[in-house]
Amino acid sequence: DAGITQSPRHKVTETGTPVTLRCHQTENHRYMYWYRQDPGHGLRLIHYSYGVKDTDKGEVSDGYSVSRSKTEDFLLTLESATSSQTSVYFCAISAGRATDTQYFGPGTRLTVL
Amino acid sequence: GNSVTQMEGPVTLSEEAFLTINCTYTATGYPSLFWYVQYPGEGLQLLLKATKADDKGSNKGFEATYRKETTSFHLEKGSVQVSDSAVYFCALSDQGNTPLVFGKGTRLSVIA
Repeated sequence: DAGITQSPRHKVTETGTPVTLRCHQTENHRYMYWYRQDPGHGLRLIHYSYGVKDTDKGEVSDGYSVSRSKTEDFLLTLESATSSQTSVYFCAISAGRATDTQYFGPGTRLTVL
Repeated sequence: GNSVTQMEGPVTLSEEAFLTINCTYTATGYPSLFWYVQYPGEGLQLLLKATKADDKGSNKGFEATYRKETTSFHLEKGSVQVSDSAVYFCALSDQGNTPLVFGKGTRLSVIA
């Protein structure tokens, strides 16, 4: 299994509070991604990174920001959480190109009350 | 833009039944095609892939053939097991440097 961990695995927070989710990899892969998974929508890309300090927006980036200061860590921040951001968040990594096989973390279940 | 369309689920089958999950795509050029599987409570994992027309990807008894003429990559298995119960995602890459595009997923339930 690819070495990808996500923390926390579960979080309950209140509307308006900031939340940061962490993805950590031990594979030294160049690309890292954040997705959200919701019933009826499948998997939607939030942001991705193609190197340290290099990031780009995905399909549903509004309300989210990311940072990557080290190869192994990719942080997803909800500046002011809303109930619509209740979801399961997955981190993924890929080696050489954005189109290479992606390896997924175990997910973080976030509930915004 | 690139897109993937999968058959709506859920799909419920009896053990040992034949499985087909349809996937069609829209893309420019010659994309690579993937099937990912998500078991309950887990992240997605690659099931199989095909990188050019007429290639067949296979793994764990599952197969899919890249059909350029019908822009399809249907997933098949001859005899499903209860352990195959999961959500299956079709995805494509456009060979550029943009991330994979995923379908919405198809939930499969296999009953004994």
